[in-house]
Amino acid sequence: AQSVTQLDSHVSVSEGTPVLLRCNYSSSYSPSLFWYVQHPNKGLQLLLKYTSAATLVKGINGFEAEFKKSETSFHLTKPSAHMSDAAEYFCVVSERGATNKLIFGTGTLLAVQP
Amino acid sequence: NAGVTQTPKFRILKIGQSMTLQCTQDMNHNYMYWYRQDPGMGLKLIYYSVGAGITDKGEVPNGYNVSRSTTEDFPLRLELAAPSQTSVYFCASRGGQGANTQYFGPGTRLTVL
Repeated sequence: AQSVTQLDSHVSVSEGTPVLLRCNYSSSYSPSLFWYVQHPNKGLQLLLKYTSAATLVKGINGFEAEFKKSETSFHLTKPSAHMSDAAEYFCVVSERGATNKLIFGTGTLLAVQP
Repeated sequence: NAGVTQTPKFRILKIGQSMTLQCTQDMNHNYMYWYRQDPGMGLKLIYYSVGAGITDKGEVPNGYNVSRSTTEDFPLRLELAAPSQTSVYFCASRGGQGANTQYFGPGTRLTVL
C-alpha cells in the first residue's frame, strides 16, 4: 500500500531564508506525487506534481520538489520564503489505477517570521 | 469557469439531524471525491464516483451516503449527525484516464453539537 510521511509537523523560517519541507513516500511502483498548499480557512491548491517525467519539478510561487527514488523522498523547497507562504503543506501520493485515490500526509505547518 | 463549488460554507447541526452537503463541478470531470479533514490531520477519503450512477466507498464511509445522478453534482448526505462528524469536508474532481490532478472545492465546515 502507498503512504507518505511528512517528517516535520511544524517548520518555522525567517522571511528571505530557504524553505525545506520533507516528505518520504512508500510505494511498490513508480508513484505520482503531489504537494498541495492550504492557506488558513481555504481549500487546497496544487503546488506541483511528479508523474515520472523530470525528477526536478517546478511549481507555482517559486516552489520546487525533487523526486529521489533511491531515498524515496519528495522534499519541497523554495530559495527565499515570503510572508504569504505561511500555510499548511500536504505531501500526497496517488494510487495507481482508474480511481486515482489520494493518500495524504499529515501536513507540515509553515510559519514565516518577519 | 467556477471549478468546484461547495455549499454551504458553514453549518451547525444538532445530534441526530440530517443534512446534505452540495458539490458541483463545471469542468465535465468524470471522477469526483469527498474527503474529510480533522484538525491536525490530512484528508481522508469518504466516497468517490467514477461517473454518473457509479459510486464506491473510500476509507471512512460510515455515517455517510452519496449519489451521482449527473456528471456535475455529487452530494454527500449525513443521515444522523454525530459529534464525530464534526470536520471540514472537501469535494474534489478530476478528468478522465491520464488526468491525475484533483481539483478541490473551498470546503464546508460542519459542527455537530
